[in-house]
Amino acid sequence: AQSVSQHNHHVILSEAASLELGCNYSYGGTVNLFWYVQYPGQHLQLLLKYFSGDPLVKGIKGFEAEFIKSKFSFNLRKPSVQWSDTAEYFCAVRGYSTLTFGKGTMLLVSP
Amino acid sequence: DAGVIQSPRHEVTEMGQEVTLRCKPISGHNSLFWYRQTMMRGLELLIYFNNNVPIDDSGMPEDRFSAKMPNASFSTLKIQPSEPRDSAVYFCASSLQQGGSPLHFGNGTRLTVT
Repeated sequence: AQSVSQHNHHVILSEAASLELGCNYSYGGTVNLFWYVQYPGQHLQLLLKYFSGDPLVKGIKGFEAEFIKSKFSFNLRKPSVQWSDTAEYFCAVRGYSTLTFGKGTMLLVSP
Repeated sequence: DAGVIQSPRHEVTEMGQEVTLRCKPISGHNSLFWYRQTMMRGLELLIYFNNNVPIDDSGMPEDRFSAKMPNASFSTLKIQPSEPRDSAVYFCASSLQQGGSPLHFGNGTRLTVT
């Protein structure tokens, strides 16, 4: 069975601070990893994904994530956050079929 | 492409009533997923279909929940009878079947059962 663990439930940052959200996964086969963002009152949108190749993947809005196979991790980063990044962030793993989400991390960026 | 379309956006109903949620996946996608989101449980997979066939419904809470996909462009999630603990946001998502394909989510249906 596949599972995802996100390290923090809530993160509060000031604008321009750097962000790193932790994500660890458990899956025995070839893994596909995703980060989704959910802005208040909206649906989930894809930020970035890792399928194969370069373990450092870049997504939209200046986000990036690094796949470290030895640590079963896929942490999300952004060098300088903005107030508009306030949202909930979900890490997810997909094996052959279903997508399993972590519990989510609520990011609040204060102006 | 219009994306995944769900209806209604909001549903308020009384306990014991039947509720039907609808979803139109992205054209060409052959996998469809129903998720439920609550504060307590986060995002839970209820059921998913490949090529209109239900593959895994182990996430369906109980017999009050049922889902159908009569064709490639339409799916329903039905709750009968509804209970207050069913109150949640229900998301439909679609994708290509391959594991590396991301899921595309609809805007969700916010269900409130009083």
